[in-house]
Amino acid sequence: KQEVTQIPAALSVPEGENLVLNCSFTDSAIYNLQWFRQDPGKGLTSLLLIQSSQREQTSGRLNASLDKSSGRSTLYIAASQPGDSATYLCAVGSEKLVFGKGTKLTVNP
Amino acid sequence: DTAVSQTPKYLVTQMGNDKSIKCEQNLGHDTMYWYKQDSKKFLKIMFSYNNKELIINETVPNRFSPKSPDKAHLNLHINSLELGDSAVYFCASSQRQGNTEAFFGQGTRLTVV
Repeated sequence: KQEVTQIPAALSVPEGENLVLNCSFTDSAIYNLQWFRQDPGKGLTSLLLIQSSQREQTSGRLNASLDKSSGRSTLYIAASQPGDSATYLCAVGSEKLVFGKGTKLTVNP
Repeated sequence: DTAVSQTPKYLVTQMGNDKSIKCEQNLGHDTMYWYKQDSKKFLKIMFSYNNKELIINETVPNRFSPKSPDKAHLNLHINSLELGDSAVYFCASSQRQGNTEAFFGQGTRLTVV
């Protein structure tokens, strides 16, 4: 049974800092890994999708990596801004998405 | 144009009632899902449909009955609502089952009183 863990559960940083969010999963037989952002009371916004054959994906200030052999993914956010404050969810995909519990990020001005 | 839309956004109802949540996607995707986010914010799949056929039923009580009239719509009907059904329900879609990006709706916050 796939289990996804995200560390840390919460993170508070000053504006401008570079930061890394971590995601680990127990079963490496995955199709893809997707990072989402969830703002309070809102839906999920897809940030990055990494196919199982890929090692990383980049979008603007975001870079996500995938290491299937170790069951890990990281989401790197460069030059963080207060607008990046949200909960970041990692989800591992096969016939369904299995989610971690998220990392709540607060970027302080 | 919203890609995955759910209605209603908020739903407050009494125990024992029956209610429905509707979901529509305009992305031309083959696969649709219902996910439940509990009070601890944990997201878990409930159902998956591929081209109107049920693919995944994740041990959800049979008071929950999804219906897919066509591949662009996946509705969720809940009978005899219980307090523990209070949660946020998310609809999602992907191009096909497997290695494609999933897009989520805005969620329906269901409160059972």
